[in-house]
Amino acid sequence: GAGVSQSPSNKVTEKGKDVELRCDPISGHTALYWYRQSLGQGLEFLIYFQGNSAPDKSGLPSDRFSAERTGGSVSTLTIQRTQQEDSAVYLCASSLGLAGVSEQYFGPGTRLTVT
Amino acid sequence: GENVEQHPSTLSVQEGDSAVIKCTYSDSASNYFPWYKQELGKRPQLIIDIRSNVGEKKDQRIAVTLNKTAKHFSLHITETQPEDSAVYFCAALYTGTASKLTFGTGTRLQVTL
Repeated sequence: GAGVSQSPSNKVTEKGKDVELRCDPISGHTALYWYRQSLGQGLEFLIYFQGNSAPDKSGLPSDRFSAERTGGSVSTLTIQRTQQEDSAVYLCASSLGLAGVSEQYFGPGTRLTVT
Repeated sequence: GENVEQHPSTLSVQEGDSAVIKCTYSDSASNYFPWYKQELGKRPQLIIDIRSNVGEKKDQRIAVTLNKTAKHFSLHITETQPEDSAVYFCAALYTGTASKLTFGTGTRLQVTL
């Protein structure tokens, strides 16, 4: 079946603009995760959803970052007033259940470049 | 929260040799430790995982060991092949927040002919 998809695959934006990144999880997966991967770095946890609620938002770097999930499916990550340090690959993952119970499947990522 | 350290950051081995990547974690309550492989330009994929009630797990040429007392776990790849070249990430599940994986910074493995 279809895997996790993300759009756009690449996004170039000017500093100060807002961007919206989209994640379509695998159908039926209740858990959804957002990570950020900067060049040469590991995966930095941002937020996760169980259904439509976000029990853990501790990884969001600042109040410029927000995320929502509707209908227990699609999620959007919004970055307001983008800064150059926001440039990274943003990865989404989904799993049937919570981490440690079910495998996380990653999407291809969105490469964000802030100029 | 959890903190995961991973070493080495880069590793070069000759085809057929073994490769070992090591990770340490800080939270003794962590109980799940997956390893992901990320080939260049591709998404991370789970290759093997281990739970805290097990000391070692093998899957063909890949094995993972866990030392709970020392709070470290390792990935072992035997008879390396060029297609093993990738970045490998370890992770630990911090049970304090129920579902948050903390990742290491990655090891770039290069298998040379």
